[in-house]
Amino acid sequence: AQSVAQPEDQVNVAEGNPLTVKCTYSVSGNPYLFWYVQYPNRGLQFLLKYITGDNLVKGSYGFEAEFNKSQTSFHLKKPSALVSDSALYFCAVRDIGVDKGFQKLVFGTGTRLLVSP
Amino acid sequence: NAGVTQTPKFQVLKTGQSMTLQCAQDMNHNSMYWYRQDPGMGLRLIYYSASEGTTDKGEVPNGYNVSRLNKREFSLRLESAAPSQTSVYFCASSEGGRRNEKLFFGSGTQLSVL
Repeated sequence: AQSVAQPEDQVNVAEGNPLTVKCTYSVSGNPYLFWYVQYPNRGLQFLLKYITGDNLVKGSYGFEAEFNKSQTSFHLKKPSALVSDSALYFCAVRDIGVDKGFQKLVFGTGTRLLVSP
Repeated sequence: NAGVTQTPKFQVLKTGQSMTLQCAQDMNHNSMYWYRQDPGMGLRLIYYSASEGTTDKGEVPNGYNVSRLNKREFSLRLESAAPSQTSVYFCASSEGGRRNEKLFFGSGTQLSVL
């Protein structure tokens, strides 16, 4: 089965500094990878996805993610963090089910990002 | 744009009580999902509906039932609530087909079972 791992429960960074939230994946076949963000008391929101092509994927709110096949990683990055970026971030991978190939997402356990002023 | 609407936002149940969580989407999406979110475990899929008229079990279906009432609505029912079902529940929808990867989530239902 496809899976993703987020090794850090929490990441702390000062405002203005670059941030990285880590994700590694385990898949059979080509990986379809995603990042979602959850702000307090809200549902998850789509940030970006990697299907094929450039290893650096740009998404919403200035975030980007770097796909690295040799390290089976898909880390989320931002050059300059904002206090408003503080949220819970989830990495996800596409899982093709047995139901006529229906595609579902499998989420990681989440990483809390705390950006201090 | 309402997007995905869940009700109720909060609920407290006693062990053994039943309840239904309601979910509706106004984006004409084909696929709908129910997830639960628990600390340290991320989101786990309970049930999903690939299209109107179909439902399938996800990763953690025990103790739950679902109904895809029509294209817009997908409800989750707890027949006999247990403390282990204390969680935050999210409904989500997606276009379906090749566009399944982008899910749209509701704001969640916080459920406590005493």
